[in-house]
Amino acid sequence: AQSVAQPEDQVNVAEGNPLTVKCTYSVSGNPYLFWYVQYPNRGLQFLLKYITGDNLVKGSYGFEAEFNKSQTSFHLKKPSALVSDSALYFCAVRPLSSNDYKLSFGAGTTVTVRA
Amino acid sequence: KAGVTQTPRYLIKTRGQQVTLSCSPISGHRSVSWYQQTPGQGLQFLFEYFSETQRNKGNFPGRFSGRQFSNSRSEMNVSTLELGDSALYLCASSWTSGNTDTQYFGPGTRLTVL
Repeated sequence: AQSVAQPEDQVNVAEGNPLTVKCTYSVSGNPYLFWYVQYPNRGLQFLLKYITGDNLVKGSYGFEAEFNKSQTSFHLKKPSALVSDSALYFCAVRPLSSNDYKLSFGAGTTVTVRA
Repeated sequence: KAGVTQTPRYLIKTRGQQVTLSCSPISGHRSVSWYQQTPGQGLQFLFEYFSETQRNKGNFPGRFSGRQFSNSRSEMNVSTLELGDSALYLCASSWTSGNTDTQYFGPGTRLTVL
């Protein structure tokens, strides 16, 4: 069974400062990893994904994520946060080689960027 | 290209009733998955359909069911509603059944059970 841990319920940063949202995962075999963002009263919006290859993945809106196999982590980062980045962020995983297509999500991290 | 659409967006029902939610995937997408989102349990997988066949099912009681039509549109049904069924129900679609496909989510249907 796969699982995701997002150790921080909340992350608070000042606008212009770097933003990091942490994620660790557990999965059998190689992982297929995602980050999604959710704004109030909206669905989940895809940010980026990691399948194989370069450990640094670039996504939408200036976000990137770093895959670390030895630490089983997939942290989301943004060099300079904006107030509009304030939202709920979810990390998700599923096994790369499996017939089980369900995504397992972390509990989510609420990001607040103050002006 | 239009995104995933879900109808209705909001729904209020009473205990014991049943409800049907609808999801139209992105044009050309053939896989549809359903998730339940609650403050206490987070995002939980309900089921996934591809070419009108349910391929995966989450750990939910039989009151939760779904189906997919030949045009890939999907519906989920919850019978004998309970207070605990109050949640945001999210539908996601992807292109094929491939393991590397990205799931794109709709805005959700907010179900309130009174």
